[in-house]
Amino acid sequence: QSPLAQPASLSGSPGQSINISCAGTTSDIGGYNFVSWFQQHPGKAPKLLIFDVSSRPSGISNRFSGSKSASTAYLVISNLQAEDEADYYCSSFRASSTRCVFGTGTMVAVL
Amino acid sequence: QVRLQESGPGLVKPSETLSLFCTVSGASITSETYSWAWIRQPPGKGLEWIGTINSDGSTFYNPSFKSRVTLSVDTSRNHFSLNLTSGTVADTAVYFCARQTLQWLTDFWGQGAFLTVSS
Repeated sequence: QSPLAQPASLSGSPGQSINISCAGTTSDIGGYNFVSWFQQHPGKAPKLLIFDVSSRPSGISNRFSGSKSASTAYLVISNLQAEDEADYYCSSFRASSTRCVFGTGTMVAVL
Repeated sequence: QVRLQESGPGLVKPSETLSLFCTVSGASITSETYSWAWIRQPPGKGLEWIGTINSDGSTFYNPSFKSRVTLSVDTSRNHFSLNLTSGTVADTAVYFCARQTLQWLTDFWGQGAFLTVSS
């Protein structure tokens, strides 16, 4: 029942790129393409950025991109902007009694 | 546009049952292509899935909550609810209701309802 592992915090300057990792197992990320990413600003609900590993919902900037390798998923934020300062969570289907699992969360700071 | 709105008491005492409701608009809760979930976030912490209920009433629960949790659907009101028994201080959190696809993607979220467990 352990969550997916993410770095606690990352930072970057405007215009730079940031790569957030999300480590799982063969029971979740490694075995299925049901990986999603969310952005959460303080006091707000999470907002869907990426689904099915690399697809973007309508209205989401192409500065956000997703991928995975083996049992680790990645979210890249390109051309970092001030409004990207937020918490980011990954999520995946897990083939166990815990069907839906979230990552530990990464706080992104824009310097 | 799908909208979800949580409602609840805001404050419950330890050992009492936490009850929250989620009213859905812009979508039918009886749709066979979606499920309905509760997710919580303790202050300063990450997201934790509590459970999911399908349109046919079948449920999936996070084992961490063991037998404390019950989800139910009221199709006449197009809403679903969460009951969490034997509340403790550790249950203090923002509780989000959400829609999930059949692939367990959480695509629409309510704004969240903060619930405090305190004497």
